[in-house]
Amino acid sequence: AQTIHQWPVAEIKAVGSPLSLGCTIKGKSSPNLYWYWQATGGTLQQLFYSITVGQVESVVQLNLSASRPKDDQFILSTEKLLLSHSGFYLCAWSPGLGDYAEQFFGPGTRLTVL
Amino acid sequence: GDSVTQTEGLVTLTEGLPVMLNCTYQTIYSNPFLFWYVQHLNESPRLLLKSFTDNKRTEHQGFHATLHKSSSSFHLQKSSAQLSDSALYYCALTSGGNYKPTFGKGTSLVVHP
Repeated sequence: AQTIHQWPVAEIKAVGSPLSLGCTIKGKSSPNLYWYWQATGGTLQQLFYSITVGQVESVVQLNLSASRPKDDQFILSTEKLLLSHSGFYLCAWSPGLGDYAEQFFGPGTRLTVL
Repeated sequence: GDSVTQTEGLVTLTEGLPVMLNCTYQTIYSNPFLFWYVQHLNESPRLLLKSFTDNKRTEHQGFHATLHKSSSSFHLQKSSAQLSDSALYYCALTSGGNYKPTFGKGTSLVVHP
């Protein structure tokens, strides 16, 4: 069975500090990977997606960047946090099978920027 | 590009009444795939329903939806709302081999006694 793990579970950071959030998928090779952001009480916002190692497409950047260093790993980062970065960050994967594949979401990372 | 439009904002219902959350979509492709995801408070979204077959009803956990390509719709329905149905519901679309699904803005459903 496939599992998706996100780290950290929660983070409190200062404005201007760097950030790195991670996501790992086990049990599935070559998944499509996605990062989403959700403001508190807000709607899902797609940030990035990747269909293969080393290749990341930006949907909405929000002064963030993403990388896929390994087939099963997706990293979201920034060198300088803004207050507006606070929220819930979700990693998701789908099988590389095309349109019919649903998205499987990780447990998320809750970020508070002070 | 693709787009998905959902019932805006907040829907408030009394327990036992029927649920209907609207979803319409736009795509240039003739074989869209439609999804409903549900997100309960402090949880991640999970798939509720999906369909790619025109005019075929799909059901899960008491909810049902039918993809109607003629009207570009995939409305979510349930005959009787329960308190536990209170959640955020997202309609999503994939089409044309695009790896990036298009999500609607979400509809927040609140069911009260």
